[in-house]
Amino acid sequence: KQEVTQIPAALSVPEGENLVLNCSFTDSAIYNLQWFRQDPGKGLTSLLLIQSSQREQTSGRLNASLDKSSGRSTLYIAASQPGDSATYLCAVRSAGGIQGAQKLVFGQGTRLTINP
Amino acid sequence: EAGVTQFPSHSVIEKGQTVTLRCDPISGHDNLYWYRRVMGKEIKFLLHFVKESKQDESGMPNNRFLAERTGGTYSTLKVQPAELEDSGVYFCASSQGTTGFGNTIYFGEGSWLTVV
Repeated sequence: KQEVTQIPAALSVPEGENLVLNCSFTDSAIYNLQWFRQDPGKGLTSLLLIQSSQREQTSGRLNASLDKSSGRSTLYIAASQPGDSATYLCAVRSAGGIQGAQKLVFGQGTRLTINP
Repeated sequence: EAGVTQFPSHSVIEKGQTVTLRCDPISGHDNLYWYRRVMGKEIKFLLHFVKESKQDESGMPNNRFLAERTGGTYSTLKVQPAELEDSGVYFCASSQGTTGFGNTIYFGEGSWLTVV
């Protein structure tokens, strides 16, 4: 059974810092990994999707890496801004059969606060 | 292009009542998913439709939950009768293609359900 863990659960940093959020998963047989952002009371916004054959994806100030063999992914945020404050969620799509491949398994998220 | 839309955004009902949540996926998306997040827990998969067919309903908690997707367009999730532990956020999501293991999954804003 796939399990996803995100550490830390909460993180508070001053504006302008670069930071890294961590995600680990127990079963390396995945199709892809997706990072989401959730603002309070809002839905999930997809940030980056990394396929199992890829090592990283970049979008603006965000860079996500994937090390499938070790079951780890990181989300790097450069030059953080107060508007980056949100909960960041990591989710993997496991490769365990046709049905398993369509499920996303989520971590509990990291609540990020950027202080002005 | 409209995203995944959900209705109602918020609902407060009494224990024992019935609630029906609706989801309109992104136009042209064959895959439709329901997820939910109960207080303090991670987001968990409920079920997956491919067009009008239930591909995987292994995450449905019990027979008080009924999901339908008539005509392969919008979907409804009915909870009858609602219990206190059903309180949480119900997310709908959609993605392209019938074999789209690599496709990004897009989420709606969620339907926030409170059972009192």
